[in-house]
Amino acid sequence: QKEVEQNSGPLSVPEGAIASLNCTYSDRGSQSFFWYRQYSGKSPELIMSIYSNGDKEDGRFTAQLNKASQYVSLLIRDSQPSDSATYLCAVKGSNDYKLSFGAGTTVTVRA
Amino acid sequence: ETGVTQTPRHLVMGMTNKKSLKCEQHLGHNAMYWYKQSAKKPLELMFVYNFKEQTENNSVPSRFSPECPNSSHLFLHLHTLQPEDSALYLCASSHATSGGETQYFGPGTRLLVL
Repeated sequence: QKEVEQNSGPLSVPEGAIASLNCTYSDRGSQSFFWYRQYSGKSPELIMSIYSNGDKEDGRFTAQLNKASQYVSLLIRDSQPSDSATYLCAVKGSNDYKLSFGAGTTVTVRA
Repeated sequence: ETGVTQTPRHLVMGMTNKKSLKCEQHLGHNAMYWYKQSAKKPLELMFVYNFKEQTENNSVPSRFSPECPNSSHLFLHLHTLQPEDSALYLCASSHATSGGETQYFGPGTRLLVL
């Protein structure tokens, strides 16, 4: 079983729609969760971090965490063409400091 | 100079060459990381340094040799690489390796081994 799994994508959404990205993780004791955005040919950049159950909003981005279900998601509201990128879910394990990354979900926003 | 920088940005080398990748962070962090990113695969952690001490070697072949002379600089020495080592090599840094510290990435070095 992979440590961090993301919906495989690619995900294509029309401009102005909501893009929904999902991530599940295997380490039940994980406490720290991150979403990174990676444009083609570029390095990952942090979008959101979340540590507690519930929702965390930052502009058009909302991260949702459910530790009981071992599930973390990212919603992108009012999607823009500039949101077209690969989104990486990263989880910090309970017993160490390593970040485990999912394979990423590629999002394309159609103008 | 801001954030995390990496040089060179692109590198082509033969299997018998020796080269080094350099990473420098200007964020006052204490931990630095090397990752490998191959096409269609998740980021793979290679090495971790915390306060200049190596705390993780994630079963990386010995043809990759890291060096961390201080908390701001990290090198990856390469020798006798294989074509399958072609990838994007990313450096990252964070305040510490404990807790929920966020990692910040450099722009990466795109490596091609011929």
